[in-house]
Amino acid sequence: DIVMTQSPLSLPVTPGEPASITCRSSQSLLNSNGYNYLDWYLQKPGQSPQLLIYLGSNRASGVPDRFSGSGSGTDFTLKISRVEAEDVGIYYCMQALKIPYTFGQGTKLDLK
Amino acid sequence: EVQVVESGGNLVQPGRSLRLSCTASGFTSAGYAMTWFRQAPGKGLEWVGFIRGTSYGGTPEYAASVRGRFTISSDDSNSIAYLQMDSLKTEDTAVYYCTRWSPYFYNGMDVWGQGTTVTVSS
Repeated sequence: DIVMTQSPLSLPVTPGEPASITCRSSQSLLNSNGYNYLDWYLQKPGQSPQLLIYLGSNRASGVPDRFSGSGSGTDFTLKISRVEAEDVGIYYCMQALKIPYTFGQGTKLDLK
Repeated sequence: EVQVVESGGNLVQPGRSLRLSCTASGFTSAGYAMTWFRQAPGKGLEWVGFIRGTSYGGTPEYAASVRGRFTISSDDSNSIAYLQMDSLKTEDTAVYYCTRWSPYFYNGMDVWGQGTTVTVSS
């Protein structure tokens, strides 16, 4: 199975400041079609997960442009340019290249 | 509106069975892979499995932890996916989420239900 490792696991951020989460996979997530099968999800408190980024760097519909994803192969980053109160929650990376799909441990973002 | 709604969660004794349903609206499940995830209390997300829509062969895939005990099926004519859970264990206790992804061009798990709670306990 592909192991996904996120850091940090806890991320206190001052509103208006940037934030960054990294995700590393035990195998390359680059498919032969040129896409990295890496997604980012946010689970807000008491809610279902929601898709933020797919294929490494594509923002999902309706996701604010302060969220961006980058990286290739085994190293990926989610960046929030200016954190807002509504961004609080747990962020997960997930690989969808190989079955079983696997998640990182989650990064809990809260406000300072 | 595109959405999925899970139902069927309940309290059940170890060794018993339960069937969850995922009703899709605003799209036809035949063109997607209907996928189940779960989240144990206080834990992270775990992929359970999916079934490809009939347009893509209609075949399922399972996580090792549920293979042989859980069965995913779908009624694409009514856009309902099912998760049949047999020989339930206490470690199957979780909120179960239904989602979808497109085999035509992968664009993530873009629609999630509200989840349904399964508690396995004597």
